[in-house]
Amino acid sequence: NAGVTQTPKFRVLKTGQSMTLLCAQDMNHEYMYWYRQDPGMGLRLIHYSVGEGTTAKGEVPDGYNVSRLKKQNFLLGLESAAPSQTSVYFCASSYETGTWRGNYGYTFGSGTRLTVV
Amino acid sequence: LAKTTQPISMDSYEGQEVNITCSHNNIATNDYITWYQQFPSQGPRFIIQGYKTKVTNEVASLFIPADRKSSTLSLPRVSLSDTAVYYCLVGDGGNQGGKLIFGQGTELSVKP
Repeated sequence: NAGVTQTPKFRVLKTGQSMTLLCAQDMNHEYMYWYRQDPGMGLRLIHYSVGEGTTAKGEVPDGYNVSRLKKQNFLLGLESAAPSQTSVYFCASSYETGTWRGNYGYTFGSGTRLTVV
Repeated sequence: LAKTTQPISMDSYEGQEVNITCSHNNIATNDYITWYQQFPSQGPRFIIQGYKTKVTNEVASLFIPADRKSSTLSLPRVSLSDTAVYYCLVGDGGNQGGKLIFGQGTELSVKP
């Protein structure tokens, strides 16, 4: 029972390169999310998905694309990396809950530290 | 989504009780209040969630007044290992796609 697994854990990219971050969860969660965290700031939502085949924009979606082809996987892509995308990226997942049921605690992965030079 | 306000930082000593208050004046009827803990180089970890009055688990207690415009996370007898950033979030987990918006959090420093 691994929870949420992110790969890779560390990566250094050159400006203009592309890469994909993989998030996998084994809890059968409907919802998945990608956040970025920068020094002195909280987590900012990039994109999220409410189910297989669906994606939606969060607070800071520019420069990123996502795909949810399988329920257990959520991919974050950087098509042309920029130094401003140097950050720690966290993936999370949660159950779908309706109003009043609450208990939508997120499970986070351990993060991917990305440096763009 | 309701916006939250909490202190940027707090200091405490081992063995003390720590109370972190969060303001959420625009909380909606269907919103729950959730607290997360984040250690350096780790993802946030769910601590506790509540809707009204008081909730207690093995880690913390959450106090929510009747008007629900604020909430207080209480950590009993903190230790050095409780040094972390604590986030307060509100949302209903459902109609808005389940997404939660994190603020800057409260950086708690526990000293010996």
